[in-house]
Amino acid sequence: EPEVTQTPSHQVTQMGQEVILRCVPISNHLYFYWYRQILGQKVEFLVSFYNNEISEKSEIFDDQFSVERPDGSNFTLKIRSTKLEDSAMYFCASARKTRSSYNEQFFGPGTRLTVL
Amino acid sequence: GENVEQHPSTLSVQEGDSAVIKCTYSDSASNYFPWYKQELGKRPQLIIDIRSNVGEKKDQRIAVTLNKTAKHFSLHITETQPEDSAVYFCAASDAGGTSYGKLTFGQGTILTVHP
Repeated sequence: EPEVTQTPSHQVTQMGQEVILRCVPISNHLYFYWYRQILGQKVEFLVSFYNNEISEKSEIFDDQFSVERPDGSNFTLKIRSTKLEDSAMYFCASARKTRSSYNEQFFGPGTRLTVL
Repeated sequence: GENVEQHPSTLSVQEGDSAVIKCTYSDSASNYFPWYKQELGKRPQLIIDIRSNVGEKKDQRIAVTLNKTAKHFSLHITETQPEDSAVYFCAASDAGGTSYGKLTFGQGTILTVHP
């Protein structure tokens, strides 16, 4: 059964550094998402991406964040200048179809980001 | 925006007992309600979902009920087993509306099943 994959599994960085988190969604999916989960808290929506553009973003997703689908398979989340409070588990998710039907979102294993 | 409240935050049961987790949502436009199970250090896994055009859905030992009028939905696990121990998240989504299906999650319930 196809799964969403993410790399790296754990990223440690210094405050102020840029990080890029990578995801490979399920191949026939068209809708892509990033969520984050601070330790012990709920999963929070960051951004959705469809047709090569951001379709919706949350208040968390400020100018320090960007997403890109550089080729036909990868989906990346970039944090330009990391802050301590960016430390969290970041999950990528993908869905086959949503606008005219319900969507089941499948999550990747996550990247644990630690900002020192 | 949507707000999802989930209760209880922790639930401890004996093996074989039933477990019930409840969620309420605020946005009447939400029409898709999935439940995810997350084991320690692992990804959230979809275990069951319900759409707003049905009131109940069952899959073996797991069932979900939806009351659109009251804006609440519940997860029922019967004949619990130790491997059911995990964190369970409910979520709500306005799939097909102006939102591109973003999920709004509840706070999670830590379910512990004692052998």
